[in-house]
Amino acid sequence: GENVGLHLPTLSVQEGDNSIINCAYSNSASDYFIWYKQESGKGPQFIIDIRSNMDKRQGQRVTVLLNKTVKHLSLQIAATQPGDSAVYFCAENIIGNQFYFGTGTSLTVIP
Amino acid sequence: GAVVSQHPSRVICKSGTSVKIECRSLDFQATTMFWYRQFPKQSLMLMATSNEGSKATYEQGVEKDKFLINHASLTLSTLTVTSAHPEDSSFYICSARLAGGKPPTQYFGPGTRLTVL
Repeated sequence: GENVGLHLPTLSVQEGDNSIINCAYSNSASDYFIWYKQESGKGPQFIIDIRSNMDKRQGQRVTVLLNKTVKHLSLQIAATQPGDSAVYFCAENIIGNQFYFGTGTSLTVIP
Repeated sequence: GAVVSQHPSRVICKSGTSVKIECRSLDFQATTMFWYRQFPKQSLMLMATSNEGSKATYEQGVEKDKFLINHASLTLSTLTVTSAHPEDSSFYICSARLAGGKPPTQYFGPGTRLTVL
């Protein structure tokens, strides 16, 4: 499998600043990616997705960038708010098969 | 839309007993459901893929006789942890994929916290 079970890296940002969360994925054949947000004691919540034929996708206050050359994803959150504090995971998928999750990053927003 | 529920949300049991966790897709049909396990401060680890009407596919290192999965309908999958031990204590999360959905977005349940004494 592609799972990793490492301890979470952390990121602290000031309220109102922009946040950038990075993710390295493992399978060059992965062609669909999702960013999830997970609050303590809850299941993951869909944020934004991107297919491998794109390198950028924007949502409300969030942007995902995909660099297939180096197998790297990033999630940018504009004007970070205290409610954005959570753990963020990227998940990679080969269309039709399972999703595998990255290590995750714990984001703390300082008021 | 696309709501997935889990029951129970929290369970405490004695070592050696079996525990069943239900995962339901409430407003859509899911031909495929997935079971994950998450230890504190760690990522989600895929345990198995459950297809309606057929046997589950387990990830390497996951004991199929210990973690019994049944996907009897398009809206329900169950995970039974048999003869649970303290090391099975974890957060179990299911997800469901919309039948025929393109792209294959997964929707997650709220998770079940299992504590084995």
